[in-house]
Amino acid sequence: SQQGEEDPQALSIQEGENATMNCSYKTSINNLQWYRQNSGRGLVHLILIRSNEREKHSGRLRVTLDTSKKSSSLLITASRAADTASYFCATDAGTGNQFYFGTGTSLTVIP
Amino acid sequence: DTAVSQTPKYLVTQMGNDKSIKCEQNLGHDTMYWYKQDSKKFLKIMFSYNNKELIINETVPNRFSPKSPDKAHLNLHINSLELGDSAVYFCASSYTTGGEKLFFGSGTQLSVL
Repeated sequence: SQQGEEDPQALSIQEGENATMNCSYKTSINNLQWYRQNSGRGLVHLILIRSNEREKHSGRLRVTLDTSKKSSSLLITASRAADTASYFCATDAGTGNQFYFGTGTSLTVIP
Repeated sequence: DTAVSQTPKYLVTQMGNDKSIKCEQNLGHDTMYWYKQDSKKFLKIMFSYNNKELIINETVPNRFSPKSPDKAHLNLHINSLELGDSAVYFCASSYTTGGEKLFFGSGTQLSVL
């Protein structure tokens, strides 16, 4: 079944550095979303990018989408300890009515 | 005010028991979902309801029965619990079914002993 697969599985960086995580998917999509999950909490929506968009920004977040490679990346600039969380991409597999998630990238930002 | 709230937060029970998880959203959304997150953090959709009607049932065993009394509530009842049902269950909602962003509850950690 369609799902996003995040890479790397785990990432550890120093505060102030940039963090990049990638997502690959299998079939055509209408939308791709990125979510953050803090330990023991629910997922929080970060950003949505549509299939006809190539890049989107929101604060310190930058998302790119390459539909020819079926991949997306999430860049967090000037990371902070509070960015420590798991990050998930979710794709709609072209259905537009449900989203498929992967296993996430676990990001640790060391103060 | 919590947008999507689910209860209980923790549920510990014996194999073979029946249990329910409740979910409520106060966002006025039409669509609600149940997701299951396993120990490897893989998040899988189970059900989706739009305005009280079931629209997605992702090959979930029929021991799992969702019920939506109104569009603000989606409860999940599980019969004859098995060890493999241990996971975190998340309720979520969205404005409509059309590729909208999801709002998640804080999860129910189910442990079947």
